[in-house]
Amino acid sequence: SQTIHQWPATLVQPVGSPLSLECTVEGTSNPNLYWYRQAAGRGLQLLFYSIGIGQISSEVPQNLSASRPQDRQFILSSKKLLLSDSGFYLCAWNWRGEGYGYTFGSGTRLTVV
Amino acid sequence: GENVEQHPSTLSVQEGDSAVIKCTYSDSASNYFPWYKQELGKRPQLIIDIRSNVGEKKDQRIAVTLNKTAKHFSLHITETQPEDSAVYFCAASGESGYSTLTFGKGTMLLVSP
Repeated sequence: SQTIHQWPATLVQPVGSPLSLECTVEGTSNPNLYWYRQAAGRGLQLLFYSIGIGQISSEVPQNLSASRPQDRQFILSSKKLLLSDSGFYLCAWNWRGEGYGYTFGSGTRLTVV
Repeated sequence: GENVEQHPSTLSVQEGDSAVIKCTYSDSASNYFPWYKQELGKRPQLIIDIRSNVGEKKDQRIAVTLNKTAKHFSLHITETQPEDSAVYFCAASGESGYSTLTFGKGTMLLVSP
């Protein structure tokens, strides 16, 4: 069976500090991978998605970046965090093609202080 | 691109009542419509989905209906229980050939004992 791991679970970082969140999927190959952000009490905002190694599509041009160095690894980064970067970050995966729902990771709650 | 509208934003019902959440979408090429349940502080989880070649799908107390002509779909929960309290998100697939989902803004369902 497939599993998705996301860490860390919680993170408190000062403004201007760097960020690295990691997500890995086990039990499948060539997954589509996604990063979403959810502000408190709000909806799901797509940040990045990837259909393969080194292939990243950005939906939100902010001070965040994503990388996919391996088939089942997806990393969300920032060089300098802003207060507005606080939120609940969710990694997700699904199979290629049409009509497959996402499986979400357990999420990282980021607080920028 | 795809746009998904979800109503209502909050819904309060008494235990045992039915709850209905409605979504409309804009892209007539969309063909996959999942629903997610997110409990407080947790990840969204897929609870039911429907494809464009089906008008209705049931799974115990939950059901989803789809009207492709009108471009709307609905989640129906019967005999609601307090553990049904959560935020529910509808979603629609994007352009044909892509796997990215567009989410509605969510409905907070509160079931009172």
